[in-house]
Amino acid sequence: GQQLNQSPQSMFIQEGEDVSMNCTSSSIFNTWLWYKQDPGEGPVLLIALYKAGELTSNGRLTAQFGITRKDSFLNISASIPSDVGIYFCAGGQGGSEKLVFGKGTKLTVNP
Amino acid sequence: GAGVSQSPSNKVTEKGKDVELRCDPISGHTALYWYRQSLGQGLEFLIYFQGNSAPDKSGLPSDRFSAERTGGSVSTLTIQRTQQEDSAVYLCASSSRGGGWNGYTFGSGTRLTVV
Repeated sequence: GQQLNQSPQSMFIQEGEDVSMNCTSSSIFNTWLWYKQDPGEGPVLLIALYKAGELTSNGRLTAQFGITRKDSFLNISASIPSDVGIYFCAGGQGGSEKLVFGKGTKLTVNP
Repeated sequence: GAGVSQSPSNKVTEKGKDVELRCDPISGHTALYWYRQSLGQGLEFLIYFQGNSAPDKSGLPSDRFSAERTGGSVSTLTIQRTQQEDSAVYLCASSSRGGGWNGYTFGSGTRLTVV
């Protein structure tokens, strides 16, 4: 089946540092989404990307939809302690109602 | 409601017992999804409901798992004869239309522990 390869699996950074994570797939997706999950909560949508090459920002977060439609990255600038959590990428194929999720990147921010 | 509500938030059950997990989607959302999140893993698709269409059950791992959605709103995921490998967080999500374009709104999940 379809799989998303998300990396890195975990990151330990100092407050103020920038963070980058990415997802790749052998399949083409028409939508890429990035979610954040806090402990004990469900994932919350951060950014949605709908067009190949699209670069979208949401505050300190920036995400891009790869030109090949097989990859996406998420950058977080000037990290703060509340950025701690698990970040998931998800791919959708428009017309297919199921999102495929990566295994997540666990982010730890040391103050 | 304002968000997706799931109950119970935690459930401990003995191996072999049946469990029911409930999901109240956002009012007016026609699509409802169940995912399973095992420790350290991503989100595994289980089942999808869209309006009055037949549900997509392609992700259910065995015939011990079933789900229904009554009146196009509340959904119940039932696991019969629970096994230890069923221990996971079960997440429900809803969206305002079918398809992944708008993304989902997730509930907080039900943490199931089978002992």
